[in-house]
Amino acid sequence: DAEITQSPRHKITETGRQVTLACHQTWNHNNMFWYRQDLGHGLRLIHYSYGVQDTNKGEVSDGYSVSRSNTEDLPLTLESAASSQTSVYFCASSRDIQETQYFGPGTRLLVL
Amino acid sequence: QKEVEQDPGPLSVPEGAIVSLNCTYSNSAFQYFMWYRQYSRKGPELLMYTYSSGNKEDGRFTAQVDKSSKYISLFIRDSQPSDSATYLCAMTSRGGAGGTSYGKLTFGQGTILTVHP
Repeated sequence: DAEITQSPRHKITETGRQVTLACHQTWNHNNMFWYRQDLGHGLRLIHYSYGVQDTNKGEVSDGYSVSRSNTEDLPLTLESAASSQTSVYFCASSRDIQETQYFGPGTRLLVL
Repeated sequence: QKEVEQDPGPLSVPEGAIVSLNCTYSNSAFQYFMWYRQYSRKGPELLMYTYSSGNKEDGRFTAQVDKSSKYISLFIRDSQPSDSATYLCAMTSRGGAGGTSYGKLTFGQGTILTVHP
């Protein structure tokens, strides 16, 4: 069955380190999204991509970057991890813009 | 003020009760409305999807959209302990390709629901 996976599922890192979270989908969806989820804020969009070589900033993109070299993957990089980036990160994908987004299981990141 | 407001609860009801979950929004361009259910330590999963105003029913779940009031609701009939989860409303506009809201979902904060046996 097609699916969307994230790795690692849990990560502990130190401030200042570079961290990359992986997202892989097998639906061949053009659109991929990264969100963070924090208490009191719901899900907030970090970056998104509408296709290979396309990337766009979301509402909370500072300190994060993404690249899209193929359809299946959209890795999220924290250039220099900060304690404020401790959160649960979700990747999502969709086939068309108006269609539903399917979410991965999430990555819990703790920055010490 | 947030674009989408949702009462975070928590909401606790007995099994069999009718549950009403609500969101209000300020952006009149929103046309597509969704409800996601999120179990503890899992990713959100789509529960209901509606376009523009009106009602949509799926089993025990009914989604209502009132665009004139900028208000959406999710009703759960005969609630079950397995319905215990966080419910997130989400919405988006069609916009134009490349527009600021094109294809992007705006989420409410989520309501934590517990259904007691």
